[in-house]
Amino acid sequence: DAGITQSPRHKVTETGTPVTLRCHQTENHRYMYWYRQDPGHGLRLIHYSYGVKDTDKGEVSDGYSVSRSKTEDFLLTLESATSSQTSVYFCAISERGQGGEKLFFGSGTQLSVL
Amino acid sequence: AQTVTQSQPEMSVQEAETVTLSCTYDTSESDYYLFWYKQPPSRQMILVIRQEAYKQQNATENRFSVNFQKAAKSFSLKISDSQLGDAAMYFCAYRKNTGNQFYFGTGTSLTVIP
Repeated sequence: DAGITQSPRHKVTETGTPVTLRCHQTENHRYMYWYRQDPGHGLRLIHYSYGVKDTDKGEVSDGYSVSRSKTEDFLLTLESATSSQTSVYFCAISERGQGGEKLFFGSGTQLSVL
Repeated sequence: AQTVTQSQPEMSVQEAETVTLSCTYDTSESDYYLFWYKQPPSRQMILVIRQEAYKQQNATENRFSVNFQKAAKSFSLKISDSQLGDAAMYFCAYRKNTGNQFYFGTGTSLTVIP
């Protein structure tokens, strides 16, 4: 599992409330990613990070912000959750090893916004 | 943005038979990487196989192999001797050599019939 832990695993919240999802890695990987998974859309990149305090937007970044104050932690924040943000959120790291670079995922967070 | 297309939302195969999942992609790059990921009901994303565009030889991993047609921008996954445990959602993904973003298709849900 490349040492990736996501928390919480499930969360139910109300529209308009702030929500923070956490991704923690134990293997000092430089690149970390946040994806959301929705039926009919596959996985879409929200934000990614290429180092401490270095982040960039993905294709569906509106309504989301991220922070990376330590190598091991990458936080995804929904400032004011909306029902359209109900989704499964995956954190991933990019690892270069034998056979080249690969993406490894956490177990995902099921977020429901009511 | 790059696009990855999986035109088969659902597929089914008899146990022990062979099935092929299709993937096409759009890129102007000559050097890139392609991936197939499996997502069983547990929700965990598992890397199945990886192909480097500069390699003409098709990648294989046990019962899983790919048919990489660079000119046609096609990257299909063949599963031989299908097993019940192969039932899952399969995602095709692309990453260009110089980039750090991975782009995913919308997925194909594979059912294995006993």
